[in-house]
Amino acid sequence: DAKTTQPNSMESNEEEPVHLPCNHSTISGTDYIHWYRQLPSQGPEYVIHGLTSNVNNRMASLAIAEDRKSSTLILHRATLRDAAVYYCILISGGGADGLTFGKGTHLIIQP
Amino acid sequence: DAGVIQSPRHEVTEMGQEVTLRCKPISGHDYLFWYRQTMMRGLELLIYFNNNVPIDDSGMPEDRFSAKMPNASFSTLKIQPSEPRDSAVYFCASSSNLWGGPSTDTQYFGPGTRLTVL
Repeated sequence: DAKTTQPNSMESNEEEPVHLPCNHSTISGTDYIHWYRQLPSQGPEYVIHGLTSNVNNRMASLAIAEDRKSSTLILHRATLRDAAVYYCILISGGGADGLTFGKGTHLIIQP
Repeated sequence: DAGVIQSPRHEVTEMGQEVTLRCKPISGHDYLFWYRQTMMRGLELLIYFNNNVPIDDSGMPEDRFSAKMPNASFSTLKIQPSEPRDSAVYFCASSSNLWGGPSTDTQYFGPGTRLTVL
């Protein structure tokens, strides 16, 4: 499986934008970039995914580099409820597969 | 929909005992996944099913672990005999196949079962 690299932790202030980076230099052409997050004492939850183009949804935006070797999850206005571990995951479009979670980024939000 | 349902939410047992974890996926979902989370190893995929058939069990740690999906609405993960190193949070997740499978479909996770083996 193609691997991803994320910072161990990041800190931000409430109501400010947060940019969470992810490097995936060995990504293949059919790999989708998915982001999940895990709030304390809960199961992971889907945030967003994309292939080549930038994506927006009600939770966040995903900016994908032109060469697809990196991506950034953008939380436009962080709240305390966004404090979680954020996982960047590559999933092959060639077939079914489970998610391979790395260590993720622990996002700390300061009030 | 109630989401993915797991039971029990907490299980404490003694080494050597049999443990059975249960999962009810979201109705209509074709895929079901079992994951395990520990501080040391993070989240690991154990096994997944498609249309009730096990597809990949390469993540199952050893023969003490077994998983079944007798029908589309129920799956079990059994550990027999249990050992202290099996202590972890076990998550079940499901996804549909509307857009071609897990590469594009969201996985919905249950709340997990926290297993403690003494």
